[in-house]
Amino acid sequence: GDSVTQMEGPVTLSEEAFLTINCTYTATGYPSLFWYVQYPGEGLQLLLKATKADDKGSNKGFEATYRKETTSFHLEKGSVQVSDSAVYFCAHGGFNKFYFGSGTKLNVKP
Amino acid sequence: GAVVSQHPSRVICKSGTSVKIECRSLDFQATTMFWYRQFPKQSLMLMATSNEGSKATYEQGVEKDKFLINHASLTLSTLTVTSAHPEDSSFYICSARVGQTPYEQYFGPGTRLTVT
Repeated sequence: GDSVTQMEGPVTLSEEAFLTINCTYTATGYPSLFWYVQYPGEGLQLLLKATKADDKGSNKGFEATYRKETTSFHLEKGSVQVSDSAVYFCAHGGFNKFYFGSGTKLNVKP
Repeated sequence: GAVVSQHPSRVICKSGTSVKIECRSLDFQATTMFWYRQFPKQSLMLMATSNEGSKATYEQGVEKDKFLINHASLTLSTLTVTSAHPEDSSFYICSARVGQTPYEQYFGPGTRLTVT
């Protein structure tokens, strides 16, 4: 069945370090792919999305490329900041139904 | 814009009682709202899809008589956990879709339910 698998956290990095959070998915058809971020005490916010193979989503320095051949959508950022500390969720879905990964907590230390 | 609120943020209730959770779209009209449940360190699991003015569509394995969903207006959906038990303790999150835009779901901050 459809699912999303993302690396377990927490991930702890120093400020300005490079970030990668791995995400792979299984799906019937060709879903859209998403990264959501959840800051403490807040709801999930859409960080970026890609709607077809080879698309690259980007926002706030974060990037992810829709790789159909490896069924992956890894999140990257070249230089993280303390303010990026949050929980990141990978998801795939379409018009109605979304499938979420279990979330990866990122801690960025000054 | 596109803010979704939930109330309460935390609730503790005794086993056997019912609890109502509200989900409101504050600055837009939401024809469709979604209810998710999240267990610790696990994914968000879709429980049901709620369309304004019609019955909710429940995912397989979700008891519709236990988790009552009402979407009476374009800005409010409610989830009532009836005859709650400790195993219903969880984090419940709602989201709302703006119009017919397929990919834009706006999430509420969640409600932590603890059943004692």
